[in-house]
Formats: sequence, structure tokens, C-alpha cells
Amino acid sequence: DAKTTQPPSMDCAEGRAANLPCNHSTISGNEYVYWYRQIHSQGPQYIIHGLKNNETNEMASLIITEDRKSSTLILPHATLRDTAVYYCIVRSPTGGGTSYGKLTFGQGTILTVHP
Amino acid sequence: GAVVSQHPSWVICKSGTSVKIECRSLDFQATTMFWYRQFPKQSLMLMATSNEGSKATYEQGVEKDKFLINHASLTLSTLTVTSAHPEDSSFYICSAQRLAGESLFFGPGTRLTVL
Repeated sequence: DAKTTQPPSMDCAEGRAANLPCNHSTISGNEYVYWYRQIHSQGPQYIIHGLKNNETNEMASLIITEDRKSSTLILPHATLRDTAVYYCIVRSPTGGGTSYGKLTFGQGTILTVHP
Repeated sequence: GAVVSQHPSWVICKSGTSVKIECRSLDFQATTMFWYRQFPKQSLMLMATSNEGSKATYEQGVEKDKFLINHASLTLSTLTVTSAHPEDSSFYICSAQRLAGESLFFGPGTRLTVL
């Protein structure tokens, strides 16, 4: 699986948009970009994923650059409950091999939302 | 939908004993389940992948005789830590996938403390 690079930490004011960047310059054509977050002492929570088009759901928006080498997760109106570690993961869901279907977590970005 | 549960949520045991952790997909059938562990202030590390009705595939460096995984049904996978030692103390998290290529959903985790 392609590796990702994320800033170790970010701050955001409550009510403002949080924009979390992720670089995945070695991503392959069939690999998806997934975002999960982990609130302290809990299991990771699925946020969103995409292949090449921008995606939006009730939690967030995912913007993927045209060359697919980077992406941005947008939390439109951050709240204190959004404070968590956010993981950007590149995943190959099909195609066989030992990395098939796996989610390999990096260090993620610690997002702190302050009042 | 896509709820995954784990039991117990925390467990304390004596060194040398075995501990079993259950992972259940509550509202879907999971063809594949993944087991992770997480040490304090570290990211999640994949331990093994289990497919219903077949032997688990372990990641490099994970002792298959120490961490026994059983995926007997489409809604239940178990991880047994045999002859646990203090260095096995960790946060164990499972995730489940309905079909190949679909998103993974995580359980809340089990905190294991070995005295």
C-alpha cells in the first residue's frame, strides 16, 4: 500500500472549518483514500473514502487532487467533539496479494478543536 | 448500521493465564475480520486477518501460537491471548468487513492489562 504523510498536529477553533491535508504521492490507480478518526481510548471511526472524485457525507468532505497525489479532509464546522487523531490511509481493496483489503495506519494528525 | 462490538471492554489477568476477546458484527455478516493492537501513544498495528471458515493470516512478527484467532461464523471472531505476559498489555481492536472491497468498521476495543 502507498504510504501517506500527514502533519503531526493541527489546531482549529470551534465552529470553523478544519482542513486536514494528506500526501500520498505514490498512490496507485486502484487505491482508495480512506479517512478514519480515533477519539481517545476508542476504536477508529470511519469518516469517508474516495477514489478520484470529491466526496461528501454527513460528517465531512473529501477533496482529492486531480493527480491523486494528495487530499484534504474538511470538517465544515468543527466542534469540541471532533478533537481526535485523524488517519489518512491508502487502501487497495482488490487485486490480491498480501496487502489486499488491509488498512495500514500511520501516525495520523492530532486535531485539537478549542473553544 | 455497521456496528461492531467487542467483549470484554477491559480485562485484567494474571501473568501466565489466557484471555479470550470476542468481536461481533451486530447488523451485518462479515466475511473478513482484522485484529489490531495499539500500545500507548502509538498507532494501530495490524496483527492478523481472518476469513470465516479458514485459518487466519498473521502479520510478520506476530506469533500465531500465542495469539489464536478463530472466525467460526460470519458474525463472530475471537482472539485468544495465550500465556499472557505484562508485555502483552495493550488495546486490542477488531474491525469487520462485509464484502471484499467494502469499508472496514471497527469495534470499541478491549483494554488488556496483564499483571
